[in-house]
Parts: sequence; structure tokens; C-alpha cells
Amino acid sequence: RKEVEQDPGPFNVPEGATVAFNCTYSNSASQSFFWYRQDCRKEPKLLMSVYSSGNEDGRFTAQLNRASQYISLLIRDSKLSDSATYLCVVNPFISSGSARQLTFGSGTQLTVLP
Amino acid sequence: GAVVSQHPSWVICKSGTSVKIECRSLDFQATTMFWYRQFPKQSLMLMATSNEGSKATYEQGVEKDKFLINHASLTLSTLTVTSAHPEDSSFYICSARGRGQGSYNEQFFGPGTRLTVL
Repeated sequence: RKEVEQDPGPFNVPEGATVAFNCTYSNSASQSFFWYRQDCRKEPKLLMSVYSSGNEDGRFTAQLNRASQYISLLIRDSKLSDSATYLCVVNPFISSGSARQLTFGSGTQLTVLP
Repeated sequence: GAVVSQHPSWVICKSGTSVKIECRSLDFQATTMFWYRQFPKQSLMLMATSNEGSKATYEQGVEKDKFLINHASLTLSTLTVTSAHPEDSSFYICSARGRGQGSYNEQFFGPGTRLTVL
């Protein structure tokens, strides 16, 4: 079983639609959770961290369910510029020292159509 | 702030040659740098973690003699792909973490280096 699993998509949605991505992680000791966005042939960029209480940033809402080891990202009123691959990222453990590793899901591809 | 650069952004080389990729933190001291590899339509896979002044820690399955990592200063890490072969063609991305930068676990990514081995 992969450490972080995502539905690869692709999700093709019309402009203005609401779309939701899901992600599950296998390591129950995971401490931190993130959604990154990666455009084609570019580096990933942090979209938002995910907190147990859920958090919202404009049109984006992230939720974490520790009991189910499940993370979600909701995008409302999708724009053409939201087209990208969305990566679910988990920090699987807290190690000693300063190193903090991240485990990436394989990403969910979103295309917003005009 | 928290800008990470990589050089070169892309490179094409012949099989058997060695390629060096540089990763620099431009406005902060990177105590830890990470090297990732990403094949088309796949996830980023961590190759190794390096702390300044110490040997890199390689992930299982990554040959340390083939992928040489040097983190000689707090702003520079290099990855050298030795005797590159076509199967090494990939997108190599570095990231860096520094003291007092971003949230506790945030890493700042370089723009990546696309390596094509002919």
C-alpha cells in the first residue's frame, strides 16, 4: 500500500464548478499535512497546510480526519488558472534534528474548462 | 523571501557523462536540503536528505555512488549524476529548509532541473 494515495484523475470540470479531491495516508503517526500545487514541468508550490479543525483560504478548503487518515481539498468557483496537478503531502514522522521529510502523493490532475 | 534556485534548468547529455546540478538558497541558510526525482506522471520521490557539513542520507534503492551529494555550505548543495544513462532522465528537484523559515515543516522548492540523457 502506498504511503499517500490519491485519485489520479484527471478531473475535467467547467469553470465555476466545485471540485473535491481526496487523499488517504497509511502512517497513523503522521504529524503534518499539506496540499501542494504543481503546474506542468514546474516545481510544486505550497497551496495550504491542513489542520485538524479544517481551514479555508479563499476558494480553497482543506479538511483532515485523523481517525480515518483522510485529507480533502475543496475548490469552489473553479477558475481556468486552477488547472494543475494537486499533490497531497504528508510529513510521516517527527525525526530528531532538523530534517523533516515529506511524502508526496502521486497527484490529482485538474483541468478547468472554459 | 525563501527563494531556492537550481542550475541548470535543463541539460541534455550523452550516456556515460556526469552531470552536476546546483541547488542554492538565495536568502536564507538552508540547514537541510532534500533532493527529489520525478518521472513523468509520477510523484516526487525523495532521493536523499543532506544536512550541511555531514554526509547525505540516501533513501532505499538510491545508489549513493551514482548520485553524489555535497552540502558544503549553508546555501549550496550539489547533486552529481555520475555516468548518466537514459534511465536517469528525469526531473530533479531540490528543496531546502532553514532556521526560522516558514512553518515548522515547510520546505521551499527549487524550480527543478530537467535531465535528458541520450
